[in-house]
This record gives sequence, structure tokens and C-alpha cells, in this order.
Amino acid sequence: QSALTQPASVSGSPGQSITISCTGTSSDVGSYNLVSWYQQHPGKAPKLMIYEGSKRPSGVSNRFSGSKSGNTASLTFSGLQAEDEADYYCCSYAGSGTFEFGGGTKLTVL
Amino acid sequence: QLQLQESGPGRVKPSETLSLTCTVSGGSISSSSNYWVWIRQPPGKGLEWIGSIYYSGNTYYNPSLKSRVTMSVDTSNNQFSLKLSSVTAADTAVYYCARLLTVEQPPDFWGQGTLVTVFS
Repeated sequence: QSALTQPASVSGSPGQSITISCTGTSSDVGSYNLVSWYQQHPGKAPKLMIYEGSKRPSGVSNRFSGSKSGNTASLTFSGLQAEDEADYYCCSYAGSGTFEFGGGTKLTVL
Repeated sequence: QLQLQESGPGRVKPSETLSLTCTVSGGSISSSSNYWVWIRQPPGKGLEWIGSIYYSGNTYYNPSLKSRVTMSVDTSNNQFSLKLSSVTAADTAVYYCARLLTVEQPPDFWGQGTLVTVFS
């Protein structure tokens, strides 16, 4: 069982906005502004999409945005595209050099 | 561009020790503030952080695996390694190595991953 809780699946139509949640505790998500999000296509390594809650690495589309409220972080897609279909994982720094991941969310573009 | 490549046996017997090496190219494993990490993903399941190591040898391990994990660094060959002892079928996974910009930043550069199967 993963330390961070994500919905198992979400779906949406092209052009739609979708949000994936990631719920932790006051010891991880709630304590640090260090939540990150990864996109993983089948057979590939995860790709960092968001770090420090809302920052995008160079080259990541501004259609992806991150936010946090209390112990819950969120990843929002603005204008869903077919190539966004993938698995998404949240990750939080949990103190003392440790990290926790969510169980992953499968995004389906209808 | 930083690149990481995992290597090691693809099959390990139960109760034996899994050993993997990650070779870093395009940058120095001794870069200030960078940590190096192992993460695994069982088939069809989610990601699990195993542990992180600094070039000086300072380590942080997942508490759930700490009793079985040993990580080390070989700065002369720009490599770091993972040993996981007393493996069972539950340790079957794709093992990834990756870089942390600092101890608390998320993994940004990842290797392609290597599947390790525990079989009897």
C-alpha cells in the first residue's frame, strides 16, 4: 500500500481539463512544498513534470500545472491531448532524506 | 546531457542477494549537492523509493527495506551500486537509478530501468 493516495484512474475527452489528486499527511505533503509529479508511458522511465508543487522543468508544457492545499496536492491538465494518456505518479519528500510515492493514476483520453 | 545506465543480473534466486550498478555519464557522480537514488517498480504496480546516496557515502534508506539494503559509490568509475539481500518473489521489479539535484529534490534524470526477476 502506497503512502500517498491517488485515484486509480481518471478519464477525459480531448480539450477537457482534468485534475488528479494526491493525498498524504502532515508528515509529508503537508509539511513540505516538495511534491512532484511524474508521467510514465508503458515501458518507459518516469518523466518529471512538476516539482516543488507547481514548478515545471524546462520543456514541459504549460498545460500541466500543480498545486497544494493542506495535505493534498493536485496535478491539473488544461486542454487534454491524446499524448497525455499515461500513468501519473505523485512523489513527496517526507523528511530525513526519504521519499514517498503515490500508487499511480491511469489517465485515459477518450 | 546526464545519462544513467543500470546493469546487473536479470534473474536472482530466492534468499540470494540482488546486485545492481548504475553508471553515470555526462556528469560527475561527485558533483556537489547531487544525491543518487534507486527506485523500483514491480510489474503493473507503482514506484517505490529504495534509498539515496551521496558521493561521500552518506545514505538514506527506505525504512521498510533498510535491513536488507546496502548502497555504495565508486567515484573512480562514476558508478553507484545497490545490494538487496534475502530476496523473495516480492522483490521482482524494474529497478531504476536516478539523480537528485539535492537530497530533498525529486529524481530528475533517470536510467531506462532494468528488470530483475526472482525465480526459483
